[in-house]
Amino acid sequence: DQQVKQNSPSLSVQEGRISILNCDYTNSMFDYFLWYKKYPAEGPTFLISISSIKDKNEDGRFTVFLNKSAKHLSLHIVPSQPGDSAVYFCAASGNQLQGAQKLVFGQGTRLTINP
Amino acid sequence: KAGVTQTPRYLIKTRGQQVTLSCSPISGHRSVSWYQQTPGQGLQFLFEYFSETQRNKGNFPGRFSGRQFSNSRSEMNVSTLELGDSALYLCASSAGSPVRGYTFGSGTRLTVV
Repeated sequence: DQQVKQNSPSLSVQEGRISILNCDYTNSMFDYFLWYKKYPAEGPTFLISISSIKDKNEDGRFTVFLNKSAKHLSLHIVPSQPGDSAVYFCAASGNQLQGAQKLVFGQGTRLTINP
Repeated sequence: KAGVTQTPRYLIKTRGQQVTLSCSPISGHRSVSWYQQTPGQGLQFLFEYFSETQRNKGNFPGRFSGRQFSNSRSEMNVSTLELGDSALYLCASSAGSPVRGYTFGSGTRLTVV
């Protein structure tokens, strides 16, 4: 039962262009969503998050959009840089009553930025 | 300040053996969670501890267990190892709710042969 899905295992984008990573979820009780970035041989690093009461959150080059009706979120990176090449994980969490202590992760999308 | 420290970084074990992994959280963090990462499965939640108490547990067999000590350090134990247990085991710590700031360690790469 994959509650959080990243349907694109990989994505290749040219340097300077926009990278868009997508994530879908099935559990309507999720109320907090996060994106993590992971380099090989390192643990995931927190990038950006969004609460279910918002539809957009921006932090520098990174913007996360949330469409609750479609149970879909996306991460936009603009402009894309070579250092952005990594695996990106989408994650979701429930509220305090639904297990806020754990994150449910997607399978990850490998982003490659080409010079 | 020091990050989340996991030891050992790499481990090779034989089927049927048991293994103990260690995690030292960021100083002051009382919540420690464990995740398993395998190819194609993403990160799967194992369990979370807060102040020495297990608050949440994922869907893993009873061979997977953990504990947390009074200094917030945590250990994870896997008994009767199977080939499918080969994975990267990640520990993450948080000051409170993990959604507000989950810091991961670099992980322990376990290979079962």
